Amino acid sequence: EADIYQTPRYLVIGTGKKITLECSQTMGHDKMYWYQQDPGMELHLIHYSYGVNSTEKGDLSSESTVSRIRTEHFPLTLESARPSHTSQYLCASSDSGGRDTDTQYFGPGTRLTVL
Amino acid sequence: KNQVEQSPQSLIILEGKNCTLQCNYTVSPFSNLRWYKQDTGRGPVSLTIMTFSENTKSNGRYTATLDADTKQSSLHITASQLSDSASYICVVSDRGSTLGRLYFGRGTQLTVWP
Repeated sequence: EADIYQTPRYLVIGTGKKITLECSQTMGHDKMYWYQQDPGMELHLIHYSYGVNSTEKGDLSSESTVSRIRTEHFPLTLESARPSHTSQYLCASSDSGGRDTDTQYFGPGTRLTVL
Repeated sequence: KNQVEQSPQSLIILEGKNCTLQCNYTVSPFSNLRWYKQDTGRGPVSLTIMTFSENTKSNGRYTATLDADTKQSSLHITASQLSDSASYICVVSDRGSTLGRLYFGRGTQLTVWP
């Protein structure tokens, strides 16, 4: 079982609210990622980080922002949530050993519903 | 365009039976291919990983194969159990993990009935 945690697991909020999805890992991994996944669809990378103070946008455009102030913590923030943000958000981390076979370890996900 | 296609989209089998899931990809250049298992409401968990030079990898009752020439992979599940009910996702990396990106299939939803 991977030591990567996400809170909350489920969140239902109204339009216009500011939210922060928390992700933390205790494996000391340098690289962390945020994915968005709709039911029956593939995961899409929305943000990633290769270390403290490093953040990059992923393949899928997202209105969310992220920060990486500590190695173990990679929160995702939506300043003003909209119904189009309804989705499952998965956080992952991997070691930065640089091997071709590095594996990403995923958290349990946060299912966000914006009314 | 780099893509990963999985089939079937969904599959129902009886407990104790075997099944095979398929993955075709067009990702290039190819670095490695992973199979993940994702239980409902949970994050994906890695089952197997294969590089270009590997054509089979086993993890308990799960056996993955890779044909890098035809760009096809399969995941064979032997003697299925109720706990095998999950989505199985094929993931292909186009380079080493330091710079490479992961391309995800949509998954095959497997349901095992008693």
